[in-house]
Amino acid sequence: NAGVTQTPKFRVLKTGQSMTLLCAQDMNHEYMYWYRQDPGMGLRLIHYSVGEGTTAKGEVPDGYNVSRLKKQNFLLGLESAAPSQTSVYFCASSTGGGFSYEQYFGPGTRLTVT
Amino acid sequence: GENVEQHPSTLSVQEGDSAVIKCTYSDSASNYFPWYKQELGKGPQLIIDIRSNVGEKKDQRIAVTLNKTAKHFSLHITETQPEDSAVYFCAASIKVGRRALTFGSGTRLQVQP
Repeated sequence: NAGVTQTPKFRVLKTGQSMTLLCAQDMNHEYMYWYRQDPGMGLRLIHYSVGEGTTAKGEVPDGYNVSRLKKQNFLLGLESAAPSQTSVYFCASSTGGGFSYEQYFGPGTRLTVT
Repeated sequence: GENVEQHPSTLSVQEGDSAVIKCTYSDSASNYFPWYKQELGKGPQLIIDIRSNVGEKKDQRIAVTLNKTAKHFSLHITETQPEDSAVYFCAASIKVGRRALTFGSGTRLQVQP
C-alpha cells in the first residue's frame, strides 16, 4: 500500500514550457486535491475532484488544468509555465464519505520555472 | 471564503518544555480542525484533529482545544522532544461539499536538546 505518490519529485522548466504532474492513490479514495505551498503562505487549493470524471476550481486555479479520467489518478497540467508557478505542489486524497475528513498527502513535487 | 491565521510563525523551546500554537478561523460554518506536521522534504501528515462538537481532544503528548464562540483552536505539545522539530499547520474545513482544507501559514517549531 503506497498511499499517495507523485511524479516527478523535481522539475525545472523554462518560461512558456508545459508539463503534467501525476498523482496516484491506491486507497480507493473518491476525493482528490492539488495544493501549492509557497514560503510563509501555507498550502493553497488549486483544483479538486470529488469523483472520477469530475473536477472543480479551488482558490488559485489560474494557469492550471486538471483531469481525473481514472479514479486513482489526478493530473495537474501547466500549459505555459510562468515564474510565479515556482512552488512545491502537493496532491492529497480522502474518502469523501461519511464522517471521514482526513486527507492523505503525497511527498510533493518541487517545480522551478526560470 | 474561510481564512485561517496561525501564530507564532516560529517557536523555539527547550527539550521537555511545552509548546503552544494558536489559530483563528473566520467562517462559522467550519466544523473540522486538523493539525498537520510537515518534516523537511515530506508531505504534511495528520497528527490530531477535532470536530466542532468537541471542546478538547488529547493523544498522548499532544492535545487540541477548540473555542467555537471565539473561533480559535490551539495545539499543545507537552514534554517536547527533538523529533518534534518540524513545521506545524492548522487547517479548517466545512463538512459539506468539497471538504477542502484552508491552511494557516505554518509554525516552525525547534526543540533544543
